[in-house]
Amino acid sequence: DIQMTQSPSSLSASVGDRVTITCRASQSIRSYLNWYQQKPGKAPKLLIHAASSLQSGVSSRFSGSGSGTDFTLTISSLQPEDFATYYCQQSYITPHTFGQGTKLEIK
Amino acid sequence: QVQLQESGPGLVKPSETLSLTCTVTGGSISSYYWSWIRQSPGKGLEWIGYIFYSGSTNYNPSLKSRVTISVDTSKNQFSLKLSSVTAADTAVYYCARDYPYFDSWGQGTLVTVSS
Repeated sequence: DIQMTQSPSSLSASVGDRVTITCRASQSIRSYLNWYQQKPGKAPKLLIHAASSLQSGVSSRFSGSGSGTDFTLTISSLQPEDFATYYCQQSYITPHTFGQGTKLEIK
Repeated sequence: QVQLQESGPGLVKPSETLSLTCTVTGGSISSYYWSWIRQSPGKGLEWIGYIFYSGSTNYNPSLKSRVTISVDTSKNQFSLKLSSVTAADTAVYYCARDYPYFDSWGQGTLVTVSS
């Protein structure tokens, strides 16, 4: 299985901050990397697919980059509704695997 | 906008079979892949497997011996069966459209394995 490792595991930030979350794959996954946001008691919500494609309806504050093994999710200016847990997921090969999550908390 | 809804028992006894159904509304189940994913505190998000509307399947090797996913296109539903469950199978179970990214999800259903 491809292992997905996110860093940091948790992050404290303030409204208006620029935040970057990193995801590393244990082998190359080309650009088959997706990002999700999950709030407590809710299903994950797709933000970015194919490493850098913004899902329809998602704020342009969110952006993704990377290819191969190293990827980043950037939130350009944190809003109160952005405090949540973020997951990366590879869809290059089955079994599809997820990172362990990054919990973004209010400072 | 396609919507998904999981249904099934919230409590299953150890060694029995967990059975869940996902009903798809607002769109056809045809021409897409459909996945089951679970989330437990101990293991995070875990992909269980997918089914294509034609019936072809792909399962996570870690669960393959216990998993069956099936589809009923006439009802716009697909289903999950997980046999010989233990407490480790306690989780929130989600169904999702696999595009191959998961762009639509059900709300999730908590299944507890306990006697």
